[in-house]
Amino acid sequence: RKEVEQDPGPFNVPEGATVAFNCTYSNSASQSFFWYRQDCRKEPKLLMSVYSSGNEDGRFTAQLNRASQYISLLIRDSKLSDSATYLCVVNAPGTYKYIFGTGTRLKVLA
Amino acid sequence: AAGVIQSPRHLIKEKRETATLKCYPIPRHDTVYWYQQGPGQDPQFLISFYEKMQSDKGSIPDRFSAQQFSDYHSELNMSSLELGDSALYFCASSLGTTSAEETQYFGPGTRLLVL
Repeated sequence: RKEVEQDPGPFNVPEGATVAFNCTYSNSASQSFFWYRQDCRKEPKLLMSVYSSGNEDGRFTAQLNRASQYISLLIRDSKLSDSATYLCVVNAPGTYKYIFGTGTRLKVLA
Repeated sequence: AAGVIQSPRHLIKEKRETATLKCYPIPRHDTVYWYQQGPGQDPQFLISFYEKMQSDKGSIPDRFSAQQFSDYHSELNMSSLELGDSALYFCASSLGTTSAEETQYFGPGTRLLVL
């Protein structure tokens, strides 16, 4: 079982739709959580950090549920430019290395 | 804003050759991380350095070595290359290692192809 698990998708949604991704992590001692987006053959780019009860940035909302060990990402009013792979990232406890989920592919359709 | 710089961007090598990948962190960042991303895979942590000392080690083969220099740039040295080493190699940097500074910013990657 992977330490960080995501539904690989793809999620195909029309423009303007709301879409949500979940990610589960296995180590309850993890302290830092992030969502990155990765476009094909490009580097991961930080989308949001997720601390304590979560946070919101424009159309994007991230939530953390420590009791159930999952984080979520909600994208409202999807744009074509949101099409990418969304990587859930968790730190390995006691270290600063990142553990990546396999990523969830999102395709926003016109 | 300045980003992480990696060179070369593309590299083609033969089996059993050596390769050196370079990473220049964001100015003032003192921690660098190396990741390997195979085709269709998620990035896998290889190794990291903080203030020129190795800080964490992941699934880095013994054939690979890395170091961080006094100007904080880092080099990943890969010897006896194998076909399976073909991948994207990302370097990331962060401002430090406290929880407020640990967010990692990734470079554009070096695409290595071993023939």
